[in-house]
Amino acid sequence: GENVEQHPSTLSVQEGDSAVIKCTYSDSASNYFPWYKQELGKRPQLIIDIRSNVGEKKDQRIAVTLNKTAKHFSLHITETQPEDSAVYFCAASQDAGTYKYIFGTGTRLKVLA
Amino acid sequence: KAGVTQTPRYLIKTRGQQVTLSCSPISGHRSVSWYQQTPGQGLQFLFEYFSETQRNKGNFPGRFSGRQFSNSRSEMNVSTLELGDSALYLCASSQISGSGDNEQFFGPGTRLTVL
Repeated sequence: GENVEQHPSTLSVQEGDSAVIKCTYSDSASNYFPWYKQELGKRPQLIIDIRSNVGEKKDQRIAVTLNKTAKHFSLHITETQPEDSAVYFCAASQDAGTYKYIFGTGTRLKVLA
Repeated sequence: KAGVTQTPRYLIKTRGQQVTLSCSPISGHRSVSWYQQTPGQGLQFLFEYFSETQRNKGNFPGRFSGRQFSNSRSEMNVSTLELGDSALYLCASSQISGSGDNEQFFGPGTRLTVL
């Protein structure tokens, strides 16, 4: 069935360093890949997304890369700050008129000051 | 615009009971999806409704059901509650169907505890 694997499950970095979270999806029909950030006790919020016709997308300190052939996509956060500490979820879905997201199991990022 | 709202925010039930959770989407959003969030399993898709029709369903037993009303508000129901149903239930709304803007906006969730 459809599945998204996410690694690592926890990640600790020093403030100012970069963080990379990787996801692999199984459904080759997936063509939309959002990333959500969930702070403790709060709702998930979209931070960046990428569609299958693009290999990379950047938004300030955040970037996402997609390798459709390998079915991999990754989140890159540069110059990490303490407020980046949260749980990050990747997801995969099809554009075909549905909002069924298959989520990864999450990565708890801790940025150490 | 007001965000996605969910009621109640917290619920405590006992095994065997049933529960109904409510979700009000952002005004103008016609798609509502439901997810179960647990520490071990992350976010798992339950079902999605659009124009009062269920368009997709996840791999959950028939005890989990839902519906959507003409004003796009949605409810989900869990019957014969089990201890393993304890979770945060999140709903998310989206503006349009099909391709285009896929962003889902999440509500604050309903935390269900089954004793």
